Amino acid sequence: AQKITQTQPGMFVQEKEAVTLDCTYDTSDPSYGLFWYKQPSSGEMIFLIYQGSYDQQNATEGRYSLNFQKARKSANLVISASQLGDSAMYFCAMRELGGQFYFGTGTSLTVIP
Amino acid sequence: NAGVTQTPKFQVLKTGQSMTLQCAQDMNHNSMYWYRQDPGMGLRLIYYSASEGTTDKGEVPNGYNVSRLNKREFSLRLESAAPSQTSVYFCASSGRTGRNQPQHFGDGTRLSIL
Repeated sequence: AQKITQTQPGMFVQEKEAVTLDCTYDTSDPSYGLFWYKQPSSGEMIFLIYQGSYDQQNATEGRYSLNFQKARKSANLVISASQLGDSAMYFCAMRELGGQFYFGTGTSLTVIP
Repeated sequence: NAGVTQTPKFQVLKTGQSMTLQCAQDMNHNSMYWYRQDPGMGLRLIYYSASEGTTDKGEVPNGYNVSRLNKREFSLRLESAAPSQTSVYFCASSGRTGRNQPQHFGDGTRLSIL
């Protein structure tokens, strides 16, 4: 079974609108971490936001927030007030107890002016 | 403020040639990783090293070997390159303690096998 599932290969959003990128995960560890990374066309991987499995509050970092629904095993990324520079690939990842990271296949986001 | 440094950035090999991709981090991280990224496949783990002196296979280890030379350096070797190994290779590192430690990535190595 896939550890991380991202079901949206491509998404479009109008500039200044909000967009949600979906991520579901599968683990039996009680303690784990969830991460989102951004990969622009230049290729580097940029860490955006983290959510711990025991965190009570949803994580936020500037325009990024993580909609964490533990019972549903989902960790969706919400980008508010989209900008042209947000056009990129976005990867959801999970770190389990043993330290290994698992990545989804990514969502390509295009922001339309 | 280098972070994770990968060399080389680009490489073209002929089938059957060997080469070593180098990776070094200056963040005193315990864990280091090698991934390959192919279109539509996301990042797939080749090998990782949870700490100095240990290495473990990831999802796609066949055709690769690794060496954790010391805490800073983690190299990936292709003994006999095949066209199927054409990919972008990323090295990453993270702190060992706590699930909140993100991975920090190098800029990647674009490898083409002819």
